[in-house]
Amino acid sequence: EVQLVESGGGLVQPGRSLRLSCAASGFTFDDYAMHWVRQAPGKGLQWVSGISWNSDSIAYADSVRGRFTISRDNAKNSLYLQMSNLRAEDTAFYYCAKGSASVESDNWFDPWGQGTLVTVSS
Amino acid sequence: QSVLTQPPSVSGAPGQRVTISCTGSSSNIGAGYDVQWYQQLPGTAPKLLIFGNRNRPSGVPDRFSGSKSGTSASLAITGLQAEDEADYYCQSYDNSLSGSRYVFGTGTKVTVL
Repeated sequence: EVQLVESGGGLVQPGRSLRLSCAASGFTFDDYAMHWVRQAPGKGLQWVSGISWNSDSIAYADSVRGRFTISRDNAKNSLYLQMSNLRAEDTAFYYCAKGSASVESDNWFDPWGQGTLVTVSS
Repeated sequence: QSVLTQPPSVSGAPGQRVTISCTGSSSNIGAGYDVQWYQQLPGTAPKLLIFGNRNRPSGVPDRFSGSKSGTSASLAITGLQAEDEADYYCQSYDNSLSGSRYVFGTGTKVTVL
């Protein structure tokens, strides 16, 4: 069974940093691109970032580019999101999702992890 | 910043058929990029319902069907059941002058009367 488990969320002050992790199992991790998608409480879905199987291709949403860094460790079957200079508008559930291809572009997302809540507030 | 537009809500009685529209533009759906649909039950993570415009993953009932035409796509649910009450989102890929990115619909809440 494919499983994605996020961790690292919590309450953080504006301007601080936080690192999210996603542990993957049940599939050949380094065959697929991986993504982060977020959802503010009560709001819709917003794609945040994606990374190709070998980390050669990385993409970010305009709203996080320059503040967030996506990375992966294929040896550990893990995906990461380093978030810096956090803002109140970054408050959301952050989901890790498996891409449908090895490249990070034009994927669909399946499955999704259960999500981890990041709250940015003073 | 949703680029794909969906109706905020649709409703129907058990057994009825409901459809959800997803309207995009020439830089996403109209450019030939596939449309996916996700179902999000209350308090849970989204789940892939339709991929590649009309394909259902294993385990998804055939009551769910997808279609695409021009710059729009649709999700149809036939034989509506109480368990179908959820939020539904369409998703595609957008390639414009400002760059490439994934886009989601605004979301539609389906209520079973």
